[in-house]
Amino acid sequence: EPEVTQTPSHQVTQMGQEVILRCVPISNHLYFYWYRQILGQKVEFLVSFYNNEISEKSEIFDDQFSVERPDGSNFTLKIRSTKLEDSAMYFCASSSKGSGGHEQYFGPGTRLTVT
Amino acid sequence: AQSVTQLGSHVSVSEGALVLLRCNYSSSVPPYLFWYVQYPNQGLQLLLKYTSAATLVKGINGFEAEFKKSETSFHLTKPSAHMSDAAEYFCAVSDLSGGYNKLIFGAGTRLAVHP
Repeated sequence: EPEVTQTPSHQVTQMGQEVILRCVPISNHLYFYWYRQILGQKVEFLVSFYNNEISEKSEIFDDQFSVERPDGSNFTLKIRSTKLEDSAMYFCASSSKGSGGHEQYFGPGTRLTVT
Repeated sequence: AQSVTQLGSHVSVSEGALVLLRCNYSSSVPPYLFWYVQYPNQGLQLLLKYTSAATLVKGINGFEAEFKKSETSFHLTKPSAHMSDAAEYFCAVSDLSGGYNKLIFGAGTRLAVHP
């Protein structure tokens, strides 16, 4: 069964450093998402991406964040200068369609720890 | 704005007992509703979804949920709990306000199953 994969599973970085979180969505999916879950809190939407551009972003997704689909398979989230409060589990998701009833398939997540 | 409330951050049941996890939503439009499960150190897996067809939705692993518009609820049930059901469960509503699908999650309910 196809699945979303994410690397690395755990990333430790120092405050102020840049990090890139990588995701490989399901191959025939066209819609891509990033969510994050701070420890003990709810899963929060960060950004959605379709047709090589951001379709929607949340207030969390400020200028320190960017997303890219550098090739036909990868989807990346970059945090330019990490802060302590960026420590969280980051989930990538993909779906075949963007309309409301379609399932988003989630990856296993990358745990980001900023020290 | 759409939102999801999950009553009870922790629920504990005996093996073989009924599982009931509560979810209430607010939405200005007919919603699409989802239940996801997260096992330790894993990503989010779809249990079931409501997309305006049958109000009683059956999912994987014996779970089902009933959409009740009058109560704005989408509670998750399973007649007989199994030890393997121990996990965190998230209710989510699909938000199309931006024109593209994003999920708004509840805070989650951690289900413990004891012998």
